[in-house]
Amino acid sequence: EPEVTQTPSHQVTQMGQEVILRCVPISNHLYFYWYRQILGQKVEFLVSFYNNEISEKSEIFDDQFSVERPDGSNFTLKIRSTKLEDSAMYFCASTRWNRATGNTIYFGEGSWLTVV
Amino acid sequence: AQKITQTQPGMFVQEKEAVTLDCTYDTSDQSYGLFWYKQPSSGEMIFLIYQGSYDEQNATEGRYSLNFQKARKSANLVISASQLGDSAMYFCATCPGTYKYIFGTGTRLKVLA
Repeated sequence: EPEVTQTPSHQVTQMGQEVILRCVPISNHLYFYWYRQILGQKVEFLVSFYNNEISEKSEIFDDQFSVERPDGSNFTLKIRSTKLEDSAMYFCASTRWNRATGNTIYFGEGSWLTVV
Repeated sequence: AQKITQTQPGMFVQEKEAVTLDCTYDTSDQSYGLFWYKQPSSGEMIFLIYQGSYDEQNATEGRYSLNFQKARKSANLVISASQLGDSAMYFCATCPGTYKYIFGTGTRLKVLA
């Protein structure tokens, strides 16, 4: 069964460093997302991406964040200068609408980011 | 603004019993989807079940069913014949359009042997 894959599964970084989280969405999906979940809290929307551009972004997704689809398969989230409060699980997700499951999004296993 | 409310922070259920996890939503959109995800302690988000706002029948997926009451704006998840492996965090979500899901705060379910 096709799945969303994410790397790395866990990364520890120094405050102020740049981090790139990588994702390979399901191959025939058209919409891509990044969500984050701070430990013990709910899942928060960061950004959605369609047709090679950002469709929508939340207030969390400030100038420190950027997304890119550099080729036909990868989808990356970059945090330019990490802060302690960026420590969270980051989920990549993708979807393609169909009648049976609507616009169900399928998540990767997540990338744990710890900023020290 | 769209909102999902899960009022049960934690629930216990005896193994083999059924359990209902509550979810209410608030949206002004006519067309929307309702979803439930399971998050075990390992952290991944596992899709369980989907209900479209125009679907008249309640969605079912194995031991999971979604009790959809449109007028009350509720989308409760029913898990029948609970198993120990059902112990996890459960999130209700809505997606009024394609671009953005909104999640509730989750319900932590513990299945007792």
